[in-house]
Amino acid sequence: AQTVTQSQPEMSVQEAETVTLSCTYDTSESDYYLFWYKQPPSRQMILVIRQEAYKQQNATENRFSVNFQKAAKSFSLKISDSQLGDAAMYFCAYRGLRTPLVFGKGTRLSVIA
Amino acid sequence: DAGVIQSPRHEVTEMGQEVTLRCKPISGHNSLFWYRQTMMRGLELLIYFNNNVPIDDSGMPEDRFSAKMPNASFSTLKIQPSEPRDSAVYFCASSSGQGGYGYTFGSGTRLTVV
Repeated sequence: AQTVTQSQPEMSVQEAETVTLSCTYDTSESDYYLFWYKQPPSRQMILVIRQEAYKQQNATENRFSVNFQKAAKSFSLKISDSQLGDAAMYFCAYRGLRTPLVFGKGTRLSVIA
Repeated sequence: DAGVIQSPRHEVTEMGQEVTLRCKPISGHNSLFWYRQTMMRGLELLIYFNNNVPIDDSGMPEDRFSAKMPNASFSTLKIQPSEPRDSAVYFCASSSGQGGYGYTFGSGTRLTVV
């Protein structure tokens, strides 16, 4: 079964600085999809960014970008120019071609003004 | 579209009572998922449906839990009888197609069993 590991339970960043959240996963599949979700205190799960494993180019969405290392099974999220509204739980998730989303335990990000 | 709609948003019930959580997926989405979130275990998949048919219910913790999807626009998750350890946030999510599509989540139901 696929597993997703987020080794940083908590992180903090100064406003306007850059922070990187780590994620590793375990799978025997060659084609799959990776996601980062944000969960603010409102508890709504919000899709931040997605990456197809067959694409070598790292996905980018405005201030959010990923570093996808397929051989290392690593999928980190970089948040640039951090804002107070970025404070939330961040979940890394894996989805196979025919299997549902599996989540990591999450990283709580604090943004310091 | 109003997104995935869950009700109630909060539920407090006494141990032994029956609890029913409800979900309306996004119109046109053919997959529906029920997740449970706790501090200890994180987000766990309980069960999911494709085209209203249950595909995998191996995450349902006990026979006290059951889920139905009578049509494409409605699903329920029932706990009978409820126990304090069932206290958690329960999310419903829907998706269209397989693979690369992310899920759209509802706002969740916070269940407290006292």
